[in-house]
Amino acid sequence: AQTIHQWPVAEIKAVGSPLSLGCTIKGKSSPNLYWYWQATGGTLQQLFYSITVGQVESVVQLNLSASRPKDDQFILSTEKLLLSHSGFYLCAWSSGGTNTGQLYFGEGSKLTVL
Amino acid sequence: GQQVQQSPASLVLQEGENAELQCNFSTSLNSMQWFYQRPGGSLVSLFYNPSGTKHSGRLTSTTVIKERRSSLHISSSQTTDSGTYLCALEHNAGAKLTFGGGTRLTVRP
Repeated sequence: AQTIHQWPVAEIKAVGSPLSLGCTIKGKSSPNLYWYWQATGGTLQQLFYSITVGQVESVVQLNLSASRPKDDQFILSTEKLLLSHSGFYLCAWSSGGTNTGQLYFGEGSKLTVL
Repeated sequence: GQQVQQSPASLVLQEGENAELQCNFSTSLNSMQWFYQRPGGSLVSLFYNPSGTKHSGRLTSTTVIKERRSSLHISSSQTTDSGTYLCALEHNAGAKLTFGGGTRLTVRP
């Protein structure tokens, strides 16, 4: 069975500090990977997606970057956090291809920027 | 304007009542998906529904692409159905989803 693990579960960070959120998928080869973000009380937005290792497509610019260093790992990061980065971050995978297909989500990471 | 509009924004039911959640979209799409958002924030996929009608237990999803609408019907609601329901439009080009603002459902015992 496939599993998806996100870390950390929650972070409290200062404005201007760096951030790294991670996501690992086990039991699935060559998945599509996705990052989504939801501000408190806001609408969920897709940030990035990756169809293959080393390739990441940006969907919404939020002064964040994403990387896929390994087939089963997706990293979201920034060198300088903004207050507006606060919110809930979700990683997801699907079975691959050029379309999204059915998505499977991690438990999410809650980020508070002070 | 918003590409995906969900209605109602919130809905309160008595247990046993049926619910009809609507999603209207203003652009062409490849598919429509429905999700349940848990109180902790994570999402569960309910339907991946390019067009037509799909059933899963007490849930039914119907998407009519020509009319640019999709609906989620919940029959015989239960208190455990409470939560937020999201629809998302998958665009024709690329693996991108645009989400609606959600319907917050409360089912009272």
